[in-house]
Amino acid sequence: EAQVTQNPRYLITVTGKKLTVTCSQNMNHEYMSWYRQDPGLGLRQIYYSMNVEVTDKGDVPEGYKVSRKEKRNFPLILESPSPNQTSLYFCASRPGTAQPQHFGDGTRLSIL
Amino acid sequence: GDSVTQMEGPVTLSEEAFLTINCTYTATGYPSLFWYVQYPGEGLQLLLKATKADDKGSNKGFEATYRKETTSFHLEKGSVQVSDSAVYFCALSEGGSNYKLTFGKGTLLTVNP
Repeated sequence: EAQVTQNPRYLITVTGKKLTVTCSQNMNHEYMSWYRQDPGLGLRQIYYSMNVEVTDKGDVPEGYKVSRKEKRNFPLILESPSPNQTSLYFCASRPGTAQPQHFGDGTRLSIL
Repeated sequence: GDSVTQMEGPVTLSEEAFLTINCTYTATGYPSLFWYVQYPGEGLQLLLKATKADDKGSNKGFEATYRKETTSFHLEKGSVQVSDSAVYFCALSEGGSNYKLTFGKGTLLTVNP
């Protein structure tokens, strides 16, 4: 089954404790992206990747890092999480230009 | 920059009622337009799309027409069901290397039996 898989689905942690949210897709998509969803703000793009070893900032990249060492994986790294990063995070991928993005089921992060 | 404005919610309807969720956009070029739906506890699913002016996207009884003259992409359904209860997002993408999606804030729809 074609899917985008995120882990963990839920995480409660404390300020400053490094964490990684994994994202994996099995559709051989070149493009992957991370969004965060906040009430009243909709979804905003954090980072994206056009292909292996090619990443770039989205609209709200501060406090986040990403890497793309393999085509299928695009982890989101919070080196020193802070409470303002409490949010619902979605990973997405798409096969090529002008094709719709496929979304994962989301990861709810709570930073205390 | 690009932006999407959609109808504030929540919207509460009775089953079989007619649904309209308004969406207007601002973009510098000729974007593709999308409606995504988010069911409780799930990720976003593409509901329908339109890639050029006057295109009509349709799926599961929902429709939206790309209106360039009014920069709108309103979502409609003739007869909603309880199972349509979800959050609906209007979005656009201008293409280019990122093909980023710019989302509206979402509209919560609740359909009562």
